[in-house]
Amino acid sequence: DIVMTQSPTSMSISVGDRVTMNCKASQNVGSNVDWYQQKTGQSPKLLIYKASNRYTGVPDRFTGSGSGTDFTFTISNMQAEDLAVYYCMQSNSYPTFGGGTKLELK
Amino acid sequence: EVQLVESGGGLVQPGRSLKLSCAASGFTFSNYYMAWVRQAPKKGLEWVATISTSGSRTYYPDSVKGRFTISRDNAKSSLYLQMNSLKSEDTATYYCARFYGGMDAWGQGASVTVSS
Repeated sequence: DIVMTQSPTSMSISVGDRVTMNCKASQNVGSNVDWYQQKTGQSPKLLIYKASNRYTGVPDRFTGSGSGTDFTFTISNMQAEDLAVYYCMQSNSYPTFGGGTKLELK
Repeated sequence: EVQLVESGGGLVQPGRSLKLSCAASGFTFSNYYMAWVRQAPKKGLEWVATISTSGSRTYYPDSVKGRFTISRDNAKSSLYLQMNSLKSEDTATYYCARFYGGMDAWGQGASVTVSS
């Protein structure tokens, strides 16, 4: 199985901050990485697919980059409504998720 | 509007069976791969199963292979997950998801508790 190691596990942030989190795959997954947002009590939502493509309706403050084994997800101007847990997922092989990054207010 | 609505969750004893359903609407169901993803209480996401558009191909992780069966009825726009030989570690919220360049639509989830 491909292991997705996500870091950090949590971040204390302020509104307006630039937020960056990472996902490292245990083997080459090409560009087959997606990023999901899950707010408390809600289902996950797709934000970024194929490493860097913003899903329909997703604000442009959310961006993704990377290929191979190293991937980055960035929120350029953190908003209060962005408080959530973010997960990466690879679909190059059977899907596996990272452990999540929880964003909390400082 | 794309909608996925799960049903069939509940409390079940270890070793027993349960079948989840997911009713899809707002898109041409037969054109999409579909998947089940679960989330144990206060834990992360775990992929459980994927099925091809026709239902001819199915995929599972080792943790559920041989115990869970994913299926679909394209005429009814419905997805199913038959869960047999349930274990306490199968306790989770189970989401159905549309799988197209990412899991781009999710249901609200069905809660399954395995306990005696």
